[in-house]
Amino acid sequence: QVQLQESGPGLVKPSETLSLTCAVSGYSISSGYYWGWIRQPPGKGLEWIGSIYHSGSTYYNPSLKSRVTISVDTSKNQFSLKLSSVTAADTAVYYCARQRLSAIDYWGQGTLVTVSS
Amino acid sequence: EIVLTQSPGTLSLSPGERATLSCRASQSVSSSYLAWYQQKPGQAPRLLIYGASSRATGIPDRFSGSGSGTDFTLTISRLEPEDFAVYYCQQYGSSPQFTFGPGTKVDIK
Repeated sequence: QVQLQESGPGLVKPSETLSLTCAVSGYSISSGYYWGWIRQPPGKGLEWIGSIYHSGSTYYNPSLKSRVTISVDTSKNQFSLKLSSVTAADTAVYYCARQRLSAIDYWGQGTLVTVSS
Repeated sequence: EIVLTQSPGTLSLSPGERATLSCRASQSVSSSYLAWYQQKPGQAPRLLIYGASSRATGIPDRFSGSGSGTDFTLTISRLEPEDFAVYYCQQYGSSPQFTFGPGTKVDIK
């Protein structure tokens, strides 16, 4: 059974960088598929942030591309998200997920990140 | 960029009734690249349908997807109490990138 678990600070100050890690169990990232991040502001809909392949190939939401970096550590079977210059608008539940073909078949439980001073 | 619109915003129904949810795209979407998710409060979304009409693993057959081009539909044949939730459609487009619709809330009448 594939499981994903997000970790990282729940509170980030404005203008700083949000950093999250997703630990994957039950499946080796090196075996394939894309791995990604999706966020959901409180009470709102879903927004795809970006995805990465085990080789390190990435693609990002154009609206966030200038601020996003996604990286992978296959030795630890995990991948990470960095979002720079955050504002209150970046407050959201952040989910990590596995992309299978054109859909997202496994999701982490999500972690709330609040941007506030 | 393809924009997805879902209707209605809220659907109020009783258990046992049929639910029909619509997802409309601003441009034609390949059927292979249209998916539906269910999300309950405090939980992550769950994949229901991929490729417009294929049920994901473990999804009951009361859930079905159909459509092509710009118009897609998720149908729940008989609502069970656990089906009251928010439903999102999602398309996977060139760039590549994912786009989600705004969601339809199915609540108890």
